[in-house]
Amino acid sequence: QITLKESGPALVKPTQTLTLTCTLSGLSLSTSGVGVGWIRQPPGKALEWLALISWDDEKRYSPSLQNRLTITKDTSKDQVVLTMTNMDPVDTATYYCARHFPYDSRGYFSDSLNLFDPWGQGTLVTVSS
Amino acid sequence: EIVLTQSPGTLSLSPGERATLSCRASQSISSSYLAWYQQKPGQAPRLLIYGASSRATGIPDRFSGSGSGTEFTLSISRLEPEDFAVYYCQQYGSSPLFSFGPGTKVDVK
Repeated sequence: QITLKESGPALVKPTQTLTLTCTLSGLSLSTSGVGVGWIRQPPGKALEWLALISWDDEKRYSPSLQNRLTITKDTSKDQVVLTMTNMDPVDTATYYCARHFPYDSRGYFSDSLNLFDPWGQGTLVTVSS
Repeated sequence: EIVLTQSPGTLSLSPGERATLSCRASQSISSSYLAWYQQKPGQAPRLLIYGASSRATGIPDRFSGSGSGTEFTLSISRLEPEDFAVYYCQQYGSSPLFSFGPGTKVDVK
C-alpha cells in the first residue's frame, strides 16, 4: 500500500521559512517515473498546486510562488522536502504531498496520468505572530 | 494561463438523484489532461476520473466523466450517501503546470 505523510511545524511566524517533509511508504523515490507534488488548501478554499519534483530531479514550481519555493528530495530516505520563505498569514493552509506517476500499469508513459494520486493526509500550517 | 471554473458552486440534491457537475476551461485543453477529484470534510482529495472519462481504480461506475475542448462534465448517476462531498477538476499542461477549479459542493437537499 502506497502512503505519503506530511510533517512539519503547525505554527510559523510571519517572515519565517516553512520546511515541510513528505515521507513515502510502499513506494521508492528511486523508482523510475516516481515524482512528488505539493498542493495546499487554505481553510474553506480550493486547492492550489505549489511544486513538483520528478523522478529525474526536474523541478517545477507555480509561477506565482516560484521565488519563495524550493523542492528537493532525499532518495535514500524516500523523503521530499518543500521550503517556503517569507511566510505570511495568507499562507495559512493545509499542505498536502501527493504522488505523481504518469505511467500506466504496463509501464508506458500516459499523458492522462499527469495528476496526483494518492495524497497524504495533509498538515495544517498556521501563520501567526 | 488557463483558468478552470466550476458550476454550480453548490448542488443540493437528494440521495438517488443524478448529479451533473461542470468544469469549464478558459482555453481549450486536451481531454487527456483533465481529472476530477472528490474531497470529503477533513480528508485529502481522492482521484475519481482521469483523461476526462476514465475511472480511477476502485471508483464505482455511477461516476462518469465526459467532455472536450473547454467543457467537461462529471456525472453521478444515482447519489449515494457517501457521495456528498466537494468535487474539483484539475488540468495539466499549461502554465501553471497544474491547476484546480474552485470546486462544486454536492450537499443534501
